[in-house]
Amino acid sequence: DQQVKQNSPSLSVQEGRISILNCDYTNSMFDYFLWYKKYPAEGPTFLISISSIKDKNEDGRFTVFLNKSAKHLSLHIVPSQPGDSAVYFCAAPAYGGSQGNLIFGKGTKLSVKP
Amino acid sequence: GAGVSQSPSNKVTEKGKDVELRCDPISGHTALYWYRQRLGQGLEFLIYFQGNSAPDKSGLPSDRFSAERTGESVSTLTIQRTQQEDSAVYLCASSRLGAGVIYGYTFGSGTRLTVV
Repeated sequence: DQQVKQNSPSLSVQEGRISILNCDYTNSMFDYFLWYKKYPAEGPTFLISISSIKDKNEDGRFTVFLNKSAKHLSLHIVPSQPGDSAVYFCAAPAYGGSQGNLIFGKGTKLSVKP
Repeated sequence: GAGVSQSPSNKVTEKGKDVELRCDPISGHTALYWYRQRLGQGLEFLIYFQGNSAPDKSGLPSDRFSAERTGESVSTLTIQRTQQEDSAVYLCASSRLGAGVIYGYTFGSGTRLTVV
């Protein structure tokens, strides 16, 4: 079973506060995780990735945390800005598949209010 | 070009017709991917071209779907005898070979296909 789950379809946050987007996965053999951001009528844009040998990766305002025992990862955005309003997808390369085969969650729509 | 280009941006077709979707990857990107996103769903892998190696076609949902790539450039995704469940946004992406997992893919804006 290889699934990536984003159980919150939407999240609303005040500008300047922290946004926390969550993602759960089913296969403990996943070795890489990626986050993408998508604006309406545009393709997804790569944000940040993390290897399973790490538990944290940081890039500017974006930090991804990985909890392997819980099969859970989260994307933190601090401080949140109105331009961060988009749909965020969590993804992982399918285990045993080619590196082209990413398994995506259904996405979480983030709204950052001024 | 600077980004991944897809055409057409929108396509409305009648059930049973064939459609062809085109993707121009970023120059120098040897890996090319096709995904689709149906309404309310995540992105679904279709096919992956990796340089001169045999493509990974494991995501194609039926034999009505096929894709070709000319060398390391243009790719076309063909859907024969379209069905209403084929309605989706079809996204193409490219990356340098071996780098897609770590550095992500660059996606095009997609082709919105509507089968009526």
